[in-house]
Amino acid sequence: DAGITQSPRHKVTETGTPVTLRCHQTENHRYMYWYRQDPGHGLRLIHYSYGVKDTDKGEVSDGYSVSRSKTEDFLLTLESATSSQTSVYFCAISDPSGNTIYFGEGSWLTVV
Amino acid sequence: AQSVTQLGSHVSVSEGALVLLRCNYSSSVPPYLFWYVQYPNQGLQLLLKYTSAATLVKGINGFEAEFKKSETSFHLTKPSAHMSDAAEYFCAVSVPYGGYNKLIFGAGTRLAVHP
Repeated sequence: DAGITQSPRHKVTETGTPVTLRCHQTENHRYMYWYRQDPGHGLRLIHYSYGVKDTDKGEVSDGYSVSRSKTEDFLLTLESATSSQTSVYFCAISDPSGNTIYFGEGSWLTVV
Repeated sequence: AQSVTQLGSHVSVSEGALVLLRCNYSSSVPPYLFWYVQYPNQGLQLLLKYTSAATLVKGINGFEAEFKKSETSFHLTKPSAHMSDAAEYFCAVSVPYGGYNKLIFGAGTRLAVHP
């Protein structure tokens, strides 16, 4: 298993509050990703990072920001959570070739 | 545009029967193709991948998939289903996109295995 740890694994928060999800990897890989998984939509890319302080938007980035101050950590922040952001969030990393992506165990977020 | 189509959102088989999950892709460049499995309340686990080497790819848990360029298919098979194979399976294609490799997923196929 790829060394990816997500925290928290489960969180319930109120609308309008900020939320930060953390992804930590022990593989020292360059590329890291945040996806969300929703019924009927499959997995959609939120943001990705190709190195420390190098990040870019994915296909559903509105309402989310990310930061990568260290190779091993990639943070996803919901500045002001909304009910539409209730989802399962997956962190992922690429192997050195960049061709194979490995996923973390997921973070279940409920916004009430 | 690249896309992945998984035929059948739900597949049900008997224990011991052949498992066949269908995946077709469209890609303008030679693709890297993947199958992932997701058990309830867990993350996605890589089952197998095709990266332009052998067209028949063997993965974990007895699964294999065959890349057929002429049919743009990458179907997943297992000769004999086991109860523990019940899960959701995702086919995905990876293509270069800007500064990263974009992973495009199919909608998933939920496999049920009954006694």
